[in-house]
Amino acid sequence: EDQVTQSPEALRLQEGESSSLNCSYTVSGLRGLFWYRQDPGKGPEFLFTLYSAGEEKEKERLKATLTKKESFLHITAPKPEDSATYLCAVQGDDYKLSFGAGTTVTVRA
Amino acid sequence: NAGVTQTPKFQVLKTGQSMTLQCAQDMNHEYMSWYRQDPGMGLRLIHYSVGAGITDQGEVPNGYNVSRSTTEDFPLRLLSAAPSQTSVYFCASSDTFGDTQYFGPGTRLTVL
Repeated sequence: EDQVTQSPEALRLQEGESSSLNCSYTVSGLRGLFWYRQDPGKGPEFLFTLYSAGEEKEKERLKATLTKKESFLHITAPKPEDSATYLCAVQGDDYKLSFGAGTTVTVRA
Repeated sequence: NAGVTQTPKFQVLKTGQSMTLQCAQDMNHEYMSWYRQDPGMGLRLIHYSVGAGITDQGEVPNGYNVSRSTTEDFPLRLLSAAPSQTSVYFCASSDTFGDTQYFGPGTRLTVL
């Protein structure tokens, strides 16, 4: 059974204070690792897909990296508008997504 | 292009009542799915469809039915609502099975 664990559960940052979120996983045959952003009361919004160890992707202040056992989402110089819950999901041999519980990030001005 | 739409946004049911959560997409996506999201847990797959006329069970299918008569629509039916079905429900779609999934805004369901 595929498993995804995200840490920490919650992260409070000062504006400009960079940090990283962790997503550790076990999966049978990784086909892709996905990062989503979810704002309160809304559906998850797609951010990145990573396919193989060593791959990196960037979008504005966010950078996602992937190893064989975990992925990191780095937030550089965050702003209050980066406050959200960040979800990680893995896709294995069965093509279905298994989600972690998420990390809720709060950025204070 | 509205993407994935869901109705209603909020719903309160009494135990034993039935209802249908609606999901529609206008992107001509073949794959559609339903998830539930509960506090402290990841999104869990209820049912999915790889194309019109084809559906299959996900991780937590009990108490829910689906059908897919058109490419655009994928309704989720609760046959006899139970308090354990109180949750936020999300519909998602992707071009094909295995592609990046795009989510709707969700339906918050409370069963009393």
